[in-house]
Amino acid sequence: EDKVVQSPLSLVVHEGDTVTLNCSYEVTNFRSLLWYKQEKKAPTFLFMLTSSGIEKKSGRLSSILDKKELFSILNITATQTGDSAVYLCAVESRAGNNDMRFGAGTRLTVKP
Amino acid sequence: DAGVIQSPRHEVTEMGQEVTLRCKPISGHNSLFWYRQTMMRGLELLIYFNNNVPIDDSGMPEDRFSAKMPNASFSTLKIQPSEPRDSAVYFCASNPGVSTEAFFGQGTRLTVV
Repeated sequence: EDKVVQSPLSLVVHEGDTVTLNCSYEVTNFRSLLWYKQEKKAPTFLFMLTSSGIEKKSGRLSSILDKKELFSILNITATQTGDSAVYLCAVESRAGNNDMRFGAGTRLTVKP
Repeated sequence: DAGVIQSPRHEVTEMGQEVTLRCKPISGHNSLFWYRQTMMRGLELLIYFNNNVPIDDSGMPEDRFSAKMPNASFSTLKIQPSEPRDSAVYFCASNPGVSTEAFFGQGTRLTVV
């Protein structure tokens, strides 16, 4: 059965800290990995990763994929209170013809 | 485009009643997903459609749950009869096809009492 495992489940940091969120997966015929941020309502898209070793970057957020070791990390530098959210990792499988399954998420709290 | 539209936003119903959740995907998107989110189980994939055809419904919890997509612009998720353990936020999402981001609706918060 396909698995997407995120760690840690929750994390509390102070403004200015750097955090690294982890996502490991076991998926039949991997196609892509996606990161989402969920605040109070719907998840919003951050990154899609399909190739190993190529960093995707957007402001203070960056992410990279390792298809050999089957994991991805999401880094947030100089955290701000507005970064507080649940960060979700999802994996798309070719075998499922475009299904998209999520991990349990990491709840990040950034304190002033 | 207004994005993925779900209705109702909130639903409170009594145990045993039928509940119907509705979703209008983004125009031109070929895939539609129904997810359920709870604190205990996170975001679970219930069922997804490609070109209006259900592809995988293995995530549907029981026979009480059913989903349809009669055309490219509308889908329903029905629970009959509803039970308190069905209480959750139900999200609908759509995307244009493989290896594209999925866009989520604002969700329906269902409470079964």
